[in-house]
Amino acid sequence: DTAVSQTPKYLVTQMGNDKSIKCEQNLGHDTMYWYKQDSKKFLKIMFSYNNKELIINETVPNRFSPKSPDKAHLNLHINSLELGDSAVYFCASSQDSPDGQYFGPGTRLTVT
Amino acid sequence: SQKIEQNSEALNIQEGKTATLTCNYTNYSPAYLQWYRQDPGRGPVFLLLIRENEKEKRKERLKVTFDTTLKQSLFHITASQPADSATYLCAQASGGSYIPTFGRGTSLIVHP
Repeated sequence: DTAVSQTPKYLVTQMGNDKSIKCEQNLGHDTMYWYKQDSKKFLKIMFSYNNKELIINETVPNRFSPKSPDKAHLNLHINSLELGDSAVYFCASSQDSPDGQYFGPGTRLTVT
Repeated sequence: SQKIEQNSEALNIQEGKTATLTCNYTNYSPAYLQWYRQDPGRGPVFLLLIRENEKEKRKERLKVTFDTTLKQSLFHITASQPADSATYLCAQASGGSYIPTFGRGTSLIVHP
């Protein structure tokens, strides 16, 4: 029983394309997140979202947008992909507490 | 802004020894610190949470300390095993937000 799942696991695409990554959690958590992990393994928060508010890391380009059809899903849309967008993207979820986040397996995005 | 610093060099130890990983933070004391384990090609897995008013937390072979004077958290794995080899991430949050800021992680290699 996968707690946090992401699709696809690998995504190879060309510059300028628009792509989406899907995320689903079956833990009943209130908050979901998107992180970017670059080649140096630095994990940076991109978005935090619950049914009350969306918190955006101000350094994230507006080509990136989260879409939440319901509490269990938070998809990531990326427009006009650039080479620098190549990274591993992780979805995560948590309760509205500090008791840890549950991460998905990651999506490795390669932009050529 | 708050920064989380972890030793970027890998820690190599022999099986059976205690591994000690360090997490230093700048500026203000975070409300809590989290420790995660990340294996290659996988998402981080939450291990332990320690709050600002706690000196020490234990879970099986794991122990975490929080020293607000030194602005440091130490993560110990006793009786280490080759299966403990992974990257360990420290994360902090404060100011009423549960969104953590991650360090870059330290790679631990336990030799049989």
